[in-house]
Amino acid sequence: KAGVTQTPRYLIKTRGQQVTLSCSPISGHRSVSWYQQTPGQGLQFLFEYFSETQRNKGNFPGRFSGRQFSNSRSEMNVSTLELGDSALYLCASSLVRTGNYEQYFGPGTRLTVT
Amino acid sequence: GQNIDQPTEMTATEGAIVQINCTYQTSGFNGLFWYQQHAGEAPTFLSYNVLDGLEEKGRFSSFLSRSKGYSYLLLKELQMKDSASYLCAVRDSNYQLIWGAGTKLIIKP
Repeated sequence: KAGVTQTPRYLIKTRGQQVTLSCSPISGHRSVSWYQQTPGQGLQFLFEYFSETQRNKGNFPGRFSGRQFSNSRSEMNVSTLELGDSALYLCASSLVRTGNYEQYFGPGTRLTVT
Repeated sequence: GQNIDQPTEMTATEGAIVQINCTYQTSGFNGLFWYQQHAGEAPTFLSYNVLDGLEEKGRFSSFLSRSKGYSYLLLKELQMKDSASYLCAVRDSNYQLIWGAGTKLIIKP
C-alpha cells in the first residue's frame, strides 16, 4: 500500500507570495491533518479534515487555510507569506478519527521564505 | 491551556536502557501516542496507551498513569539506530492531537 505523499518536497518563495501544498493520504484513509514543524517548536497543529469537513483548527492566523476533496486528498494554502512561515509542513492521514488509530506521516514539504 | 512537557535532550550508551518521560495537562484525554522521528524524516508510530499500565512491544515499552498525567517510553538494549527524537502526543476531548516538543536521544558507543 502506498504511503502518504506530499508535493512539492521543497519550495522557495519570497515574502508576500502565496503557496499551495498538496497531500495524498493512504488509500482508504479519510482523516488528514496538517502540521508545521520548526526546530525547537515541535509539531504545531494546523488543521484536520475528515470527509471534506474541517474538524479541528489550531492557533494559526487566517492566512493558513486548507480543504479536502472527495477523494480525501487535501491542500493547504498560505497567503501573504512571512519569513516566519519557513518550516517543514507535514501531512498525516489516518483511517478514522476515534479509537486506537495512528497517524501516518508524509515526508513533508520544506518551505523556505526569503 | 494545554501543555505537554518532555526533556529536550538525553544521552545514553549503546546497550543500556533509557526512560523518556512525558507529562501532560490537556482538555480531556483520549489516548497518548509516542512517535519516533529520525533527523530529516517524518515521524513514525511507536506506541499507543489509553488505559493505565505498561504496553510492551519488543525493545520498546510505554507506560501511562492518567491520574498523574504522566507517561514514559522505555527503550532497552539501545542501538545506534535509536538515535532520534521521540515525540509524545495526547489526544484531547476534541480528538485533536497535542504534541510535545520532542526529546532528542543521543546514543554513544
